[in-house]
Amino acid sequence: DIQMTQSPSSVSASVGDRVTITCRASQGISRWLAWYQQKPGKAPKLLIYTASTLQGGVPSRFSGSGSGTDFTLTISSLQPEDFATYYCQQANSFPITFGQGTRLEIK
Amino acid sequence: QMQLQESGPGLVKPSETLSLTCSVTGGSISSPSYYWDWIRQPPGKGLEWIGSIHYSGNTYYNASLKSRLTISVDTSKNQVSLSLTSVAAADTALYYCARRGVAAGWVDPWGQGTLVIVSS
Repeated sequence: DIQMTQSPSSVSASVGDRVTITCRASQGISRWLAWYQQKPGKAPKLLIYTASTLQGGVPSRFSGSGSGTDFTLTISSLQPEDFATYYCQQANSFPITFGQGTRLEIK
Repeated sequence: QMQLQESGPGLVKPSETLSLTCSVTGGSISSPSYYWDWIRQPPGKGLEWIGSIHYSGNTYYNASLKSRLTISVDTSKNQVSLSLTSVAAADTALYYCARRGVAAGWVDPWGQGTLVIVSS
């Protein structure tokens, strides 16, 4: 199975800050990577797929990059509604696997 | 707009069978372009893929659960079902039903999830 490792596990930031979350795959997955946002009590929401393509309706302050084994999710200017937990997921091969999550907290 | 809704008992006794149903509205479960997934999330923890089914009946299971797991599809009812036998406390989780592309394996949309507690 492909292991997905996110860093950091948690991060504190302020509204307006730029935040970057990293996801590393245990083997190359080309660009078969998605990012999800999960708020408390809610199901995960697809933000980005194929490493850098924004899902419809997702604000442009979110961006993704990377290929192979190393990927990043960047939020350019944090808004109050962005404080949540973020997960990466590889779709290169079965079984699909998720990172352990990064909790983005208000400083 | 497609919606997925999980249903089933919220409390299951240890060693018994957990059974859940996912009802899909706003679209057909018989599309060849999608898998229907079950994904779970223990309280306060991350996401674990349980398994997938295609409308054709092809199934794919997490190896760690395979011996206890059955996923089935009822195209006439537009439903997917999950059965997990011999449950233990470690199976306590929020269980999500979701759609995932065959060609591109992104998970979207997700159901709201249903909490299953394993306890006597």
